[in-house]
Amino acid sequence: EAQVTQNPRYLITVTGKKLTVTCSQNMNHEYMSWYRQDPGLGLRQIYYSMNVEVTDKGDVPEGYKVSRKEKRNFPLILESPSPNQTSLYFCASSLASTGTDTQYFGPGTRLTVL
Amino acid sequence: GENVEQHPSTLSVQEGDSAVIKCTYSDSASNYFPWYKQELGKGPQLIIDIRSNVGEKKDQRIAVTLNKTAKHFSLHITETQPEDSAVYFCAASGGSGATNKLIFGTGTLLAVQP
Repeated sequence: EAQVTQNPRYLITVTGKKLTVTCSQNMNHEYMSWYRQDPGLGLRQIYYSMNVEVTDKGDVPEGYKVSRKEKRNFPLILESPSPNQTSLYFCASSLASTGTDTQYFGPGTRLTVL
Repeated sequence: GENVEQHPSTLSVQEGDSAVIKCTYSDSASNYFPWYKQELGKGPQLIIDIRSNVGEKKDQRIAVTLNKTAKHFSLHITETQPEDSAVYFCAASGGSGATNKLIFGTGTLLAVQP
């Protein structure tokens, strides 16, 4: 089944403890992206990648890191999480390297930073 | 950079009525305008999209219209059904400051009353 998977689905952590949220797609998509969703703010793009080893900042990149060593994986790294990073996170992928076609979203990761 | 405004934030309609959600964008260079539906507990899913060389697109009960001059686009759902109840997001991409980014509106919670 074609899909985007994220792990973990739920995570509660404490301030400053490094964490990684994994994202994987099995559709051979070029473009991958991370978004955060907050009430009243909609979805905001954190980082995106147009191809292996190519990443770029979205609108809210501060406090996050990403890497794209393989085409299928695009992990989101929080080196020193803070409470304002408590949010619902979505990974997405699309076939076109520009991202201007259907983006397929994962099921989401709900992160709470205490 | 690109800014997308979406209205209304909540919309309640009776089953069988039509629903209209409107979005405006700021970057006249934007050329791709998707609409996503998010059901409770799930990731957003593309329902329809339109590119700047087209003024209207239909898919069964769903239609999107684009007015490039006024920089706004709208989602129209006819003969609404309870399963249309969800959060709907508009987005824009391809602008000069957001060539490969997808900028989302803040979402509309649609409730279809049986």
